[in-house]
Amino acid sequence: AQTVTQSQPEMSVQEAETVTLSCTYDTSESDYYLFWYKQPPSRQMILVIRQEAYKQQNATENRFSVNFQKAAKSFSLKISDSQLGDAAMYFCAYRSLSNAGNMLTFGGGTRLMVKP
Amino acid sequence: DSGVTQTPKHLITATGQRVTLRCSPRSGDLSVYWYQQSLDQGLQFLIQYYNGEERAKGNILERFSAQQFPDLHSELNLSSLELGDSALYFCASSYSGRRTDTQYFGPGTRLTVL
Repeated sequence: AQTVTQSQPEMSVQEAETVTLSCTYDTSESDYYLFWYKQPPSRQMILVIRQEAYKQQNATENRFSVNFQKAAKSFSLKISDSQLGDAAMYFCAYRSLSNAGNMLTFGGGTRLMVKP
Repeated sequence: DSGVTQTPKHLITATGQRVTLRCSPRSGDLSVYWYQQSLDQGLQFLIQYYNGEERAKGNILERFSAQQFPDLHSELNLSSLELGDSALYFCASSYSGRRTDTQYFGPGTRLTVL
């Protein structure tokens, strides 16, 4: 079974600065998807970014980018020019492409605080 | 707003009771997923339906059951409730249930068991 680990329970960043959230995963598969979801105080789960494992190029979405290191099984999220609205729980998630279902396996989450 | 709706938003009940959580997927989506978010277990997958049929099962207790109806809405039934069932229950939907589909989450139902 796959596991996802987020080793930083909490992180803080000054507004307008850059922060990187870490995620590692354990899998024996070669083909899979990785995701970062944001959960603000409203509790809504919002997709931030996704990465296909077969793509070497790191995904980017505006101020959000990932550093995907397949050999190291590492998938970190970089948030540039941090804004107060970025304060939230961030979850890293893995999805296998080799089993019948589409379930997401989540890490334990990182709480990001943004200081004005 | 993801387009996925869940009712009710909050539910408070007593141990031993039974509750039903409802989910309406985004327009056009055929697949529905249920997840549980609790302090103890984190976010974990419960079950997936695609076009009325069960597609995959995760860590779902025998006291819990789900179904997807012909109009594609889904219900999660929780019975013989225990204190440990208190959690946020999310429904997500995707178009086809293919492994490449993105799942969009609803706002969740917060269940409190007293």
